[in-house]
Amino acid sequence: DGGITQSPKYLFRKEGQNVTLSCEQNLNHDAMYWYRQDPGQGLRLIYYSQIVNDFQKGDIAEGYSVSREKKESFPLTVTSAQKNPTAFYLCASSIWGNYGYTFGSGTRLTVV
Amino acid sequence: AQSVSQHNHHVILSEAASLELGCNYSYGGTVNLFWYVQYPGQHLQLLLKYFSGDPLVKGIKGFEAEFIKSKFSFNLRKPSVQWSDTAEYFCAVNIFGNEKLTFGTGTRLTIIP
Repeated sequence: DGGITQSPKYLFRKEGQNVTLSCEQNLNHDAMYWYRQDPGQGLRLIYYSQIVNDFQKGDIAEGYSVSREKKESFPLTVTSAQKNPTAFYLCASSIWGNYGYTFGSGTRLTVV
Repeated sequence: AQSVSQHNHHVILSEAASLELGCNYSYGGTVNLFWYVQYPGQHLQLLLKYFSGDPLVKGIKGFEAEFIKSKFSFNLRKPSVQWSDTAEYFCAVNIFGNEKLTFGTGTRLTIIP
């Protein structure tokens, strides 16, 4: 089955540590996205990538970094500079020009 | 930059009641509009989308939405809700030609059996 795999589902980290969230898709989609979901705030765009080796900041990129070395993969690193990292992180992908996103099941990150 | 407003944060209805969830966007140009749904414990999935043409679009599970350009609105409707419609609903918009989706804050819908 084609889809988006996010791992792990739950992640716990100590304050001050960097952590990388995985996102892999086998849909052959060009574009990939990272969103953060917080209660009452909806989904906010962190980073997105339209093609391999290229990515753009979204609305809340501070404290995050990404890479897009392969079409299938778009990992997100939550750095120690992110002031409030505890959240639910969603990865999505789309065919360029189609605009209909496919979402992964999300990673819930808790920083203690 | 475009923005999306969903004024209903939590809606509680009885089964068989009619539903209308509000969505307004701010952008004067051509937009594409979407409604996504997140059932408890499940992925976000697309309910329906509007790109052009007939402003009344039908989606899955009996949902429909009407694009009213003069009101910058894209409200979601269902004539008779079921308990299984309990979920969180998100309106989203992107500017034509830009892949980036902007989401509203979501509306939590609770259906009482």
